This record gives sequence, C-alpha cells and structure tokens, in this order.
Amino acid sequence: GAGVSQSPSNKVTEKGKDVELRCDPISGHTALYWYRQSLGQGLEFLIYFQGNSAPDKSGLPSDRFSAERTGGSVSTLTIQRTQQEDSAVYLCASSLAGRGGYEQYFGPGTRLTVT
Amino acid sequence: AQSVTQPDIHITVSEGASLELRCNYSYGATPYLFWYVQSPGQGLQLLLKYFSGDTLVQGIKGFEAEFKRSQSSFNLRKPSVHWSDAAEYFCAVGEAYGGSQGNLIFGKGTKLSVKP
Repeated sequence: GAGVSQSPSNKVTEKGKDVELRCDPISGHTALYWYRQSLGQGLEFLIYFQGNSAPDKSGLPSDRFSAERTGGSVSTLTIQRTQQEDSAVYLCASSLAGRGGYEQYFGPGTRLTVT
Repeated sequence: AQSVTQPDIHITVSEGASLELRCNYSYGATPYLFWYVQSPGQGLQLLLKYFSGDTLVQGIKGFEAEFKRSQSSFNLRKPSVHWSDAAEYFCAVGEAYGGSQGNLIFGKGTKLSVKP
C-alpha cells in the first residue's frame, strides 16, 4: 500500500518568509509525528498528534513553529518568519495506535533551505 | 530523561566482514527499541524492533539485534556486510502509555562505509 508522503520534497525560501510543509500519513494510522533532522543535531522530535487528543507540542523549538492535522489525516507544519537555523530536513511519520502497532513509518522528508 | 547514545559516528568495514553497531540507552522502564536505516536522500526504514520477549530479534536485510538489559544496550549486528548496506543507522527508544504512543528519541546515528 501507499506509504507516508510529504510535499514538497525540496523548498528554498528567503529568510523571514513563511513556509508550509505537508504530510499525508498512511491510511488508518491515527498517530502522526513530525521530526527535524539537521547536521549536528540529529533527529529531533517536534510534535505528535494522536486521534482527537490535544497534540503534544513539547518539541517545537519556538512559537514560530505550528502544526495542524485536519480530519485526523493530513498534517501541515508551518514555520513563520523563517530563519537560517530552520534549514533542515523535516520528516513526518505515522503509526497505528495500540499495542503491537507502535512502529513509526517515515516519509521521504522535505528539505528546507532558508537563504 | 530518555537518551540514546551511539558511540561510533563513522565505521568502515570490508565487504563480507561482520558488523556490530553499538547503541546504549537510558530509560527508566522497559523500553521499546528500534533500529532504522537511512540511505542518502531517503527517509528512514525500520530494520527491526524490540518490544518484549526474546531478547534477540531478527530484522530485514539479514540484520539482528540483541537487547541486554544489564548493559542498557541494543547492538545491531550483521554477519556479512554487503556494499548496499552503506548508509546511516539510527537507534531509537520509545515508550507507549495507555492507548497512545509517544515520540521516539534517536541517537545521533552511525554512518557505515563499506570498502570492496
């Protein structure tokens, strides 16, 4: 079946502009995660959605970062007033809820470059 | 706080040689442990996972890992490396509570190079 998809695959933006990154999880997966992968920092958790519960935003690095998940499916990560340190690969993952369904399946990522 | 340490940033092995990638974790309870592989320009692919039960787990592509609680380790092994195994490998720890699932904490990764 179809895996996790992300768009765009690459995004170049100017410092100070806003960007939106999209994630389409695997159908039926109720949990959705955003991670950031940057040189020197490895993979960092950003935000986690589970069903209709309030999202876990504990990994968001600043209030310029926000995310929403509409209809329990597609998610959008928004970065406002982008800074050069936001340059990274943004990865989305999804998983089934419940015991035995803990594996997270990752999308190919969006490479963000802030100039 | 949970943490994962991969002591080796970069490892080079000869094709056909055996491989062991080290992973140590810090976690208060029984962890859920994972190994992912990332090829250049690709997303992460799950190699194997440990939830409970048998401490030696088999994964895809001929990889295996052993959970050793006493050493807080979950090392990845492969008896004979192929050139196509060259990639970056990430160890991760996660938790599940109630009916929901938390995020994964990743190590910094180990880059594997394979020489002919």
